[in-house]
Amino acid sequence: DTGVSQNPRHKITKRGQNVTFRCDPISEHNRLYWYRQTLGQGPEFLTYFQNEAQLEKSRLLSDRFSAERPKGSFSTLEIQRTEQGDSAMYLCASSPRPASGTDTQYFGPGTRLTVL
Amino acid sequence: AQSVTQLDSHVSVSEGTPVLLRCNYSSSYSPSLFWYVQHPNKGLQLLLKYTSAATLVKGINGFEAEFKKSETSFHLTKPSAHMSDAAEYFCVVFNQGGKLIFGQGTELSVKP
Repeated sequence: DTGVSQNPRHKITKRGQNVTFRCDPISEHNRLYWYRQTLGQGPEFLTYFQNEAQLEKSRLLSDRFSAERPKGSFSTLEIQRTEQGDSAMYLCASSPRPASGTDTQYFGPGTRLTVL
Repeated sequence: AQSVTQLDSHVSVSEGTPVLLRCNYSSSYSPSLFWYVQHPNKGLQLLLKYTSAATLVKGINGFEAEFKKSETSFHLTKPSAHMSDAAEYFCVVFNQGGKLIFGQGTELSVKP
């Protein structure tokens, strides 16, 4: 049983460049979540999908951010025209469609983005 | 709105002594609460969760937490700390919209 995987694990880029991260959820998990964690803080919600539908987006997700989940499998998170403030750990989580309404979310190892 | 507050940003204990990590929550309805642990360079791992069943919840690695509605608390405890317990711990509340709301985290240090 494989867990949530994320690629790349580390990304260093120059300000103004575009970056794309990938998340592969646990097989058969319907829900997929993206969070962002800055140094010394707890993770903050960015967006989530149920299958291929993007159901909620945080105000943190500016127009430069876009997430997709084609065919309800893996997901990508793209940041255009990166800024130094985008430097953070980007976490992906997945959960099975809950029967009770309470998710247990399983997290991947994260992608650490550094914008120079 | 729902939120959690972790009362200590850093806790230091000696190996073999009890651990207490404090968390208070705010919720307009009966919450679902979690504790996650994050070791350096590793992903978040679920320690335990409360979903309105038993108020004393047992988790992995000897941790447990007690839900106290009257005190709006969900403190995490362990009778005897081990060196491998050194990590960042997050108290989390589930939002009915589907997302998790994390506290600021408590860094646990364990001295030999």
